[in-house]
Amino acid sequence: SAVISQKPSRDICQRGTSLTIQCQVDSQVTMMFWYRQQPGQSLTLIATANQGSEATYESGFVIDKFPISRPNLTFSTLTVSNMSPEDSSIYLCSESRDQTDTQYFGPGTRLTVL
Amino acid sequence: AQSVAQPEDQVNVAEGNPLTVKCTYSVSGNPYLFWYVQYPNRGLQFLLKYITGDNLVKGSYGFEAEFNKSQTSFHLKKPSALVSDSALYFCAVRDMGGSNYQLIWGAGTKLIIKP
Repeated sequence: SAVISQKPSRDICQRGTSLTIQCQVDSQVTMMFWYRQQPGQSLTLIATANQGSEATYESGFVIDKFPISRPNLTFSTLTVSNMSPEDSSIYLCSESRDQTDTQYFGPGTRLTVL
Repeated sequence: AQSVAQPEDQVNVAEGNPLTVKCTYSVSGNPYLFWYVQYPNRGLQFLLKYITGDNLVKGSYGFEAEFNKSQTSFHLKKPSALVSDSALYFCAVRDMGGSNYQLIWGAGTKLIIKP
């Protein structure tokens, strides 16, 4: 299984600022995904990060608010821009190689916006 | 559209008893089904998956799941529950209609094992 690390593990930020979350996978992967999860709730897909092209965003999420980079096959970043308290959540990075492959998750980044 | 339902928000089981966490799905083609577990303040951990083959799938920590095509179910089971099994469990189905292999998630079931 892939080993996925995320930085930072948690952060407390002020309203109006931005935070960039890093996701590193220990091997090359095809797809990387960014999710948001409220504690005790299900996962909501923000976007799929594609290497060499723009990310594909889900309904309700836009690039200006959640810009994503995918410079290579092992690394991606998600930026939460112009934060408000409603952005307080757990942000999870995930990866998958193909349609039958297991999707593995990073440990998450717990974000609190004051 | 593909979907997953976990009909129980919470399941309570006494330690040592068998447990079942229910999951039903709706897909347009062959289902690729997954179970994940999330312990408090931890990331999601993969338990098991069904892609093809034997309907009974065995996974981590003594868990297993039975794929039932006629009932479109993929219930998670364990013969004897442990207090340490207490966690949040998610069922998911892979969206085969798109090109990015994304998972469609159930709402989650909180499993509480009482000593």
